[in-house]
Amino acid sequence: GEDVEQSLFLSVREGDSSVINCTYTDSSSTYLYWYKQEPGAGLQLLTYIFSNMDMKQDQRLTVLLNKKDKHLSLRIADTQTGDSAIYFCAERTGRRALTFGSGTRLQVQP
Amino acid sequence: SQTIHQWPATLVQPVGSPLSLECTVEGTSNPNLYWYRQAAGRGLQLLFYSVGIGQISSEVPQNLSASRPQDRQFILSSKKLLLSDSGFYLCAWSQEREGTYNEQFFGPGTRLTVL
Repeated sequence: GEDVEQSLFLSVREGDSSVINCTYTDSSSTYLYWYKQEPGAGLQLLTYIFSNMDMKQDQRLTVLLNKKDKHLSLRIADTQTGDSAIYFCAERTGRRALTFGSGTRLQVQP
Repeated sequence: SQTIHQWPATLVQPVGSPLSLECTVEGTSNPNLYWYRQAAGRGLQLLFYSVGIGQISSEVPQNLSASRPQDRQFILSSKKLLLSDSGFYLCAWSQEREGTYNEQFFGPGTRLTVL
């Protein structure tokens, strides 16, 4: 079955790096995603990684994928107050829809 | 460019009343459409998805139903709301293409409170 888990909360200081972790159970995942949700709004895709990749970097964002441990992480360098939001990990398997984690609330302290 | 609309933005309904939430997409044709629910402090739960007019797949048993009367219109309904139906309802669309990451685009959401 499919299950995606994340820690619920992370607090960092402005300028530090943030690392948000996610574990998933379905080894047939093809793509894994990170979405961002700002208060009272819908979700926006931040980045994604194909399952045959180990790492993907996009400006301040670095995604690491460990397929053996079924572990995905999102690192945000030089975290800013505008990065405060809920971050969702999601996986896509054979189905058309995505399976989302419960979301990690990132709080950035000035 | 494509846009996705949801309405209403907020809704307060009594237990046992009916529900109708609407989602429309502009700027694309034959999209896949999805309804998700986000309960307070929890992640997104997929409720329904549709790959075409009149084609609805239900992911969880519940007192909700979905319909797709037109290509770019997706409606979430209930005949009698329960307290547990409270939450943030998100509509999303995607264009399925083999071998691509198939981003899902989300609407602004509807916050439903059942009293």
